Amino acid sequence: EVQLVESGGGLVKPGGSLRLSCAASGFTFSNAWMSWVRQAPGKGLEWVGRIKSKTDGGTTDYAAPVKGRFTISRDDSKNTLYLQMNSLKTEDTAVYYCTTEGYSGSSHSFDYWGQGTLVTVSS
Amino acid sequence: DIQMTQSPSTLSASVGDRVTITCRASQSISSWLAWYQQKPGKAPKLLIYKASSLESGVPSRFSGSGSGTEFTLTISSLQPDDFATYYCQQYNSYPTFGGGTKVEIK
Repeated sequence: EVQLVESGGGLVKPGGSLRLSCAASGFTFSNAWMSWVRQAPGKGLEWVGRIKSKTDGGTTDYAAPVKGRFTISRDDSKNTLYLQMNSLKTEDTAVYYCTTEGYSGSSHSFDYWGQGTLVTVSS
Repeated sequence: DIQMTQSPSTLSASVGDRVTITCRASQSISSWLAWYQQKPGKAPKLLIYKASSLESGVPSRFSGSGSGTEFTLTISSLQPDDFATYYCQQYNSYPTFGGGTKVEIK
């Protein structure tokens, strides 16, 4: 069974930093493209960024609102995805989900999701 | 960025109704469109990918159609478990989501 478990959320002041983790199990993590998707309280879904599998180059892509502030990385030996968030703003307050991208053969849709972790940016 | 516009934003329906949700893209996305269902406090769940392909385990009352810029999600006979919010998402370029359609009990 595929499992994605996020951790690391919490309360942080504007301008601060936080690192989220996503522990993966039940599938071959190293073969998967992984994304982070966030959802502000009461709002819709917003893609944050992705990291491709190493066999596909291991490169990253980011949405404009977070580019230059957020960094996605992966440790395939630990089956773990990371999201380093710097220079946080109040508008980054959201539940952050990690997802697989097209792993089950569903082209590049987001097929498996974690339960999410809440990040609150407030003074 | 490709903008995705869903309509309606809220839909009131009864069990057994046929329900249709529309999603429009600001430019052609071929068939690179997915639909998700989200219930309060839960992660989204993939229903449909590549505009019309049903994800494994998803009931056949859900179907998707369309290509280019116009897409629809249809629930043929609404069930109690289907009251939720539905999102479309394009992946022709960097992923973007529609604003969501909340399906409420009439």
